Amino acid sequence: EADIYQTPRYLVIGTGKKITLECSQTMGHDKMYWYQQDPGMELHLIHYSYGVNSTEKGDLSSESTVSRIRTEHFPLTLESARPSHTSQYLCASSELSIGGKREAFFGQGTRLTVV
Amino acid sequence: AQKITQTQPGMFVQEKEAVTLDCTYDTSDQSYGLFWYKQPSSGEMIFLIYQGSYDEQNATEGRYSLNFQKARKSANLVISASQLGDSAMYFCAIPASGNTPLVFGKGTRLSVIA
Repeated sequence: EADIYQTPRYLVIGTGKKITLECSQTMGHDKMYWYQQDPGMELHLIHYSYGVNSTEKGDLSSESTVSRIRTEHFPLTLESARPSHTSQYLCASSELSIGGKREAFFGQGTRLTVV
Repeated sequence: AQKITQTQPGMFVQEKEAVTLDCTYDTSDQSYGLFWYKQPSSGEMIFLIYQGSYDEQNATEGRYSLNFQKARKSANLVISASQLGDSAMYFCAIPASGNTPLVFGKGTRLSVIA
């Protein structure tokens, strides 16, 4: 069973507030990702990391930032939330390996609403 | 660049019937894997099944099986004996390349009718 956790599950916040979405995994995975997804729509990669002190931007431009100070922790921060940030944010992790099965394990997601 | 195409935005199936969800892909890698995920209305992503490009047999996991046709670059998901709990979004995915993140298709919404 996957051990990757996101908090909070739901968040309603006012415009201009700073927020941090938490993601932690206990599987020792090197790779971690953040995806943004509007309801019923495709997933867009916004950030990923291959290990401690490694962060990269994904395909979808995002005003959020991430950090990877510890292997197990990959928080996402929005300095000033806007209604356009309303979406679901999914965190995932996988092993760093060459070839073979490398499924990504997902957290339960954070549904963010900015009012 | 790797790409996944899912051409069925929505599908309906009668309970206890089988259904096939289409997925075609484009990749320049010689060795790759294909993944299917299920996303119920609660929002979490659930891993269903994996197919390696060099696997000789089509992957199966319980009621899920893959119809993998490498020459046609397709990896269709077959769900047998559909259940009401199978109603969800289904995503096909492939690693972008090497160790880079998974690239997802746009998904297919499956509705199982009693």
